[in-house]
Amino acid sequence: KNEVEQSPQNLTAQEGEFITINCSYSVGISALHWLQQHPGGGIVSLFMLSSGKKKHGRLIATINIQEKHSSLHITASHPRDSAVYICAVRSKGGSQGNLIFGKGTKLSVKP
Amino acid sequence: DVKVTQSSRYLVKRTGEKVFLECVQDMDHENMFWYRQDPGLGLRLIYFSYDVKMKEKGDIPEGYSVSREKKERFSLILESASTNQTSMYLCASSLRQGYSNQPQHFGDGTRLSIL
Repeated sequence: KNEVEQSPQNLTAQEGEFITINCSYSVGISALHWLQQHPGGGIVSLFMLSSGKKKHGRLIATINIQEKHSSLHITASHPRDSAVYICAVRSKGGSQGNLIFGKGTKLSVKP
Repeated sequence: DVKVTQSSRYLVKRTGEKVFLECVQDMDHENMFWYRQDPGLGLRLIYFSYDVKMKEKGDIPEGYSVSREKKERFSLILESASTNQTSMYLCASSLRQGYSNQPQHFGDGTRLSIL
Protein backbone atom coordinates (compact mmCIF):
# COMPACT_ATOMS: atom_id res chain seq x y z
CA LYS A 1 0.00 0.00 0.00
CA ASN A 2 1.33 3.45 -0.88
CA GLU A 3 2.10 5.70 2.06
CA VAL A 4 0.41 8.64 0.30
CA GLU A 5 -2.86 8.05 -1.56
CA GLN A 6 -4.65 10.65 -3.64
CA SER A 7 -8.19 10.62 -4.96
CA PRO A 8 -9.49 10.90 -7.54
CA GLN A 9 -6.77 9.97 -10.02
CA ASN A 10 -8.51 11.92 -12.78
CA LEU A 11 -11.05 14.70 -12.52
CA THR A 12 -12.95 16.58 -15.22
CA ALA A 13 -14.91 19.67 -14.27
CA GLN A 14 -16.81 22.48 -15.95
CA GLU A 15 -15.53 26.00 -15.59
CA GLY A 16 -16.86 27.59 -12.42
CA GLU A 17 -17.27 24.35 -10.46
CA PHE A 18 -15.94 23.83 -6.93
CA ILE A 19 -13.25 21.15 -6.93
CA THR A 20 -11.91 18.96 -4.13
CA ILE A 21 -8.84 16.72 -4.30
CA ASN A 22 -8.10 14.43 -1.39
CA CYS A 23 -4.89 13.09 0.11
CA SER A 24 -4.56 10.41 2.79
CA TYR A 25 -1.29 9.29 4.33
CA SER A 26 -0.27 6.51 6.67
CA VAL A 27 2.89 7.88 8.34
CA GLY A 28 3.46 10.49 11.01
CA ILE A 29 4.36 13.71 9.31
CA SER A 30 5.99 17.03 10.07
CA ALA A 31 4.53 18.76 7.02
CA LEU A 32 2.35 18.19 3.97
CA HIS A 33 2.86 19.85 0.60
CA TRP A 34 0.52 20.46 -2.30
CA LEU A 35 2.27 20.86 -5.66
CA GLN A 36 1.00 21.78 -9.11
CA GLN A 37 2.46 20.47 -12.35
CA HIS A 38 1.37 21.98 -15.64
CA PRO A 39 1.72 20.20 -19.00
CA GLY A 40 5.34 20.68 -19.97
CA GLY A 41 6.64 19.50 -16.63
CA GLY A 42 7.50 22.35 -14.27
CA ILE A 43 6.34 21.84 -10.66
CA VAL A 44 5.26 24.69 -8.42
CA SER A 45 4.78 24.48 -4.66
CA LEU A 46 1.27 25.68 -3.77
CA PHE A 47 1.07 25.08 -0.03
CA MET A 48 3.03 23.66 2.84
CA LEU A 49 1.02 23.01 5.99
CA SER A 50 1.28 21.15 9.25
CA SER A 51 -2.10 22.07 10.78
CA GLY A 52 -5.36 23.85 10.04
CA LYS A 53 -6.02 25.64 6.81
CA LYS A 54 -4.29 27.91 4.30
CA LYS A 55 -5.78 30.02 1.53
CA HIS A 56 -4.22 31.61 -1.51
CA GLY A 57 -6.55 33.23 -4.00
CA ARG A 58 -9.04 30.58 -5.15
CA LEU A 59 -7.07 27.74 -3.59
CA ILE A 60 -7.67 26.41 -0.08
CA ALA A 61 -5.75 23.60 1.61
CA THR A 62 -6.83 21.90 4.82
CA ILE A 63 -5.28 19.21 6.94
CA ASN A 64 -6.61 16.98 9.71
CA ILE A 65 -3.61 15.52 11.53
CA GLN A 66 -5.68 13.10 13.63
CA GLU A 67 -7.35 11.64 10.56
CA LYS A 68 -4.16 11.82 8.44
CA HIS A 69 -6.03 13.53 5.66
CA SER A 70 -5.69 16.70 3.62
CA SER A 71 -7.86 18.32 0.98
CA LEU A 72 -7.13 20.84 -1.75
CA HIS A 73 -10.11 22.92 -2.85
CA ILE A 74 -10.38 25.14 -5.91
CA THR A 75 -13.25 27.60 -5.98
CA ALA A 76 -14.65 28.98 -9.25
CA SER A 77 -12.44 26.69 -11.32
CA HIS A 78 -10.97 27.92 -14.59
CA PRO A 79 -9.38 26.12 -17.57
CA ARG A 80 -6.00 27.49 -16.53
CA ASP A 81 -6.33 25.37 -13.35
CA SER A 82 -5.93 22.27 -15.54
CA ALA A 83 -2.84 20.51 -14.23
CA VAL A 84 -1.66 17.57 -12.17
CA TYR A 85 -1.94 18.21 -8.43
CA ILE A 86 0.48 16.28 -6.24
CA CYS A 87 0.35 15.71 -2.51
CA ALA A 88 3.65 15.05 -0.72
CA VAL A 89 4.50 14.52 2.95
CA ARG A 90 7.64 14.87 4.98
CA SER A 91 7.64 12.05 7.52
CA LYS A 92 8.66 12.74 11.11
CA GLY A 93 12.28 11.84 11.60
CA GLY A 94 12.63 11.40 7.87
CA SER A 95 15.96 11.94 6.20
CA GLN A 96 17.06 15.48 5.40
CA GLY A 97 14.46 16.98 3.11
CA ASN A 98 12.94 13.74 1.85
CA LEU A 99 9.36 13.84 0.66
CA ILE A 100 6.98 10.96 0.01
CA PHE A 101 4.82 11.71 -3.02
CA GLY A 102 1.33 10.69 -4.05
CA LYS A 103 0.80 9.73 -7.67
CA GLY A 104 -1.06 12.90 -8.50
CA THR A 105 -4.56 13.93 -9.56
CA LYS A 106 -4.98 15.04 -13.15
CA LEU A 107 -7.51 17.87 -13.34
CA SER A 108 -9.10 19.07 -16.57
CA VAL A 109 -11.38 22.09 -16.44
CA LYS A 110 -13.54 22.53 -19.53
CA PRO A 111 -14.73 25.97 -20.67
CA ASP B 1 12.32 34.17 -6.59
CA VAL B 2 14.22 30.90 -6.46
CA LYS B 3 15.42 29.73 -9.82
CA VAL B 4 16.27 26.10 -10.46
CA THR B 5 17.62 25.62 -13.96
CA GLN B 6 18.02 22.29 -15.71
CA SER B 7 20.39 22.29 -18.64
CA SER B 8 18.07 20.68 -21.21
CA ARG B 9 14.29 20.37 -21.65
CA TYR B 10 14.59 17.48 -24.09
CA LEU B 11 17.46 15.08 -24.62
CA VAL B 12 17.87 12.03 -26.85
CA LYS B 13 20.75 9.62 -26.25
CA ARG B 14 21.71 6.13 -27.30
CA THR B 15 21.96 2.96 -25.24
CA GLY B 16 25.35 2.66 -23.56
CA GLU B 17 26.17 6.37 -23.67
CA LYS B 18 27.25 8.25 -20.57
CA VAL B 19 24.68 10.96 -19.93
CA PHE B 20 25.03 14.06 -17.78
CA LEU B 21 22.03 16.03 -16.52
CA GLU B 22 22.91 19.35 -14.94
CA CYS B 23 21.00 21.40 -12.40
CA VAL B 24 21.86 24.84 -11.03
CA GLN B 25 20.08 26.82 -8.30
CA ASP B 26 20.65 30.45 -7.46
CA MET B 27 19.44 30.68 -3.85
CA ASP B 28 22.32 29.19 -1.88
CA HIS B 29 20.22 26.16 -0.92
CA GLU B 30 21.94 23.38 0.99
CA ASN B 31 19.66 20.57 -0.21
CA MET B 32 19.39 19.43 -3.81
CA PHE B 33 17.44 16.49 -5.22
CA TRP B 34 17.10 14.44 -8.37
CA TYR B 35 13.79 12.71 -9.12
CA ARG B 36 12.40 10.75 -11.99
CA GLN B 37 8.75 10.81 -12.89
CA ASP B 38 7.00 8.03 -14.77
CA PRO B 39 3.31 7.61 -15.63
CA GLY B 40 1.45 5.78 -12.88
CA LEU B 41 4.44 5.86 -10.53
CA GLY B 42 4.68 9.50 -9.59
CA LEU B 43 7.89 11.15 -8.44
CA ARG B 44 10.63 8.90 -7.13
CA LEU B 45 13.82 10.10 -5.47
CA ILE B 46 17.06 9.00 -7.12
CA TYR B 47 19.67 10.84 -5.03
CA PHE B 48 19.87 13.89 -2.87
CA SER B 49 22.66 16.01 -1.49
CA TYR B 50 22.60 18.07 1.70
CA ASP B 51 25.95 19.77 1.21
CA VAL B 52 28.88 20.03 -1.15
CA LYS B 53 30.41 16.61 -1.81
CA MET B 54 27.72 14.96 0.35
CA LYS B 55 25.14 12.64 -1.15
CA GLU B 56 22.62 10.04 -0.10
CA LYS B 57 20.85 7.38 -2.09
CA GLY B 58 17.15 7.78 -2.61
CA ASP B 59 14.64 5.09 -3.50
CA ILE B 60 15.99 4.15 -6.95
CA PRO B 61 19.73 4.91 -7.21
CA GLU B 62 20.67 1.90 -9.34
CA GLY B 63 22.23 2.90 -12.65
CA TYR B 64 22.79 6.49 -11.54
CA SER B 65 25.47 8.52 -9.80
CA VAL B 66 25.67 12.16 -8.77
CA SER B 67 28.22 14.88 -8.30
CA ARG B 68 28.06 18.02 -6.13
CA GLU B 69 31.37 19.86 -6.39
CA LYS B 70 29.84 23.31 -5.89
CA LYS B 71 26.90 24.29 -3.72
CA GLU B 72 24.82 25.63 -6.61
CA ARG B 73 25.28 22.70 -9.00
CA PHE B 74 24.06 19.09 -8.75
CA SER B 75 24.71 16.70 -11.60
CA LEU B 76 23.01 13.39 -12.32
CA ILE B 77 25.05 10.87 -14.30
CA LEU B 78 23.79 7.84 -16.16
CA GLU B 79 26.96 5.77 -16.41
CA SER B 80 25.70 3.56 -19.26
CA ALA B 81 22.26 4.63 -20.42
CA SER B 82 19.59 1.99 -20.90
CA THR B 83 16.13 2.20 -22.43
CA ASN B 84 14.45 1.77 -19.03
CA GLN B 85 15.97 5.11 -18.03
CA THR B 86 13.77 6.93 -20.51
CA SER B 87 11.83 9.26 -18.26
CA MET B 88 11.19 12.81 -17.08
CA TYR B 89 13.94 13.94 -14.70
CA LEU B 90 13.29 16.72 -12.21
CA CYS B 91 15.76 18.57 -10.05
CA ALA B 92 14.77 20.42 -6.87
CA SER B 93 16.42 22.40 -4.11
CA SER B 94 15.55 23.58 -0.62
CA LEU B 95 17.03 25.13 2.46
CA ARG B 96 18.28 22.70 5.09
CA GLN B 97 15.37 21.03 6.88
CA GLY B 98 16.23 22.61 10.22
CA TYR B 99 14.90 25.91 8.93
CA SER B 100 11.28 24.96 9.76
CA ASN B 101 10.18 22.73 6.91
CA GLN B 102 11.24 24.56 3.81
CA PRO B 103 9.46 23.88 0.49
CA GLN B 104 11.28 22.31 -2.40
CA HIS B 105 11.70 24.40 -5.54
CA PHE B 106 11.64 22.48 -8.80
CA GLY B 107 13.21 22.95 -12.20
CA ASP B 108 11.21 22.57 -15.41
CA GLY B 109 12.36 18.99 -15.97
CA THR B 110 14.36 17.17 -18.62
CA ARG B 111 12.54 14.68 -20.80
CA LEU B 112 15.20 12.08 -21.59
CA SER B 113 14.77 9.45 -24.29
CA ILE B 114 17.22 6.57 -24.59
CA LEU B 115 17.10 4.85 -27.97
